[in-house]
Amino acid sequence: AQSVTQPDIHITVSEGASLELRCNYSYGATPYLFWYVQSPGQGLQLLLKYFSGDTLVQGIKGFEAEFKRSQSSFNLRKPSVHWSDAAEYFCAVGARGSQGNLIFGKGTKLSVKP
Amino acid sequence: EPEVTQTPSHQVTQMGQEVILRCVPISNHLYFYWYRQILGQKVEFLVSFYNNEISEKSEIFDDQFSVERPDGSNFTLKIRSTKLEDSAMYFCASTGGSMGYNEQFFGPGTRLTVL
Repeated sequence: AQSVTQPDIHITVSEGASLELRCNYSYGATPYLFWYVQSPGQGLQLLLKYFSGDTLVQGIKGFEAEFKRSQSSFNLRKPSVHWSDAAEYFCAVGARGSQGNLIFGKGTKLSVKP
Repeated sequence: EPEVTQTPSHQVTQMGQEVILRCVPISNHLYFYWYRQILGQKVEFLVSFYNNEISEKSEIFDDQFSVERPDGSNFTLKIRSTKLEDSAMYFCASTGGSMGYNEQFFGPGTRLTVL
């Protein structure tokens, strides 16, 4: 069965420091991969997505993610975190050929200290 | 910028009561979804809807749940007889175009509390 694992429930980084949020997936082939962000009281906003091609994808707000097939990972990175990045981050996969529903990880809450 | 809206933002109900959660998807979108997130757990797919019928549903979406697009703008999720375990945040999403992976746009969610 498809699944997504985000091993870190809560991460705290200092403003200006680099960030990496981990995501591992289990799927028989290469799925579609997504990162969403949720600020308090807000919906889920798409940061970036991977469908095919270049394994390093750029997203909004300075985020990027790298798809590593050998590790079944799709880790999210940002070189310098801003206080406004504090939010919850969700990794999700979509099965190729399905009706489009997404399977989410449990999320990683990011706190940013000044 | 177009956005998905959901009402109410918070619904409190008694166990056994019916609730209807409402969503207004982005106007030219064709595919609609409901997801839920129980506190502290992952976001889970409930149902997808296209061309006025259910495309796919998860095991969670049992006979107590139903969806409807009563007019050209609203998309509703009805829970017929709520249980305590239905307490969760419910997200509506929509996407346009083909059923390939266009971005799903999510609403802000409705927090359902069943007492």
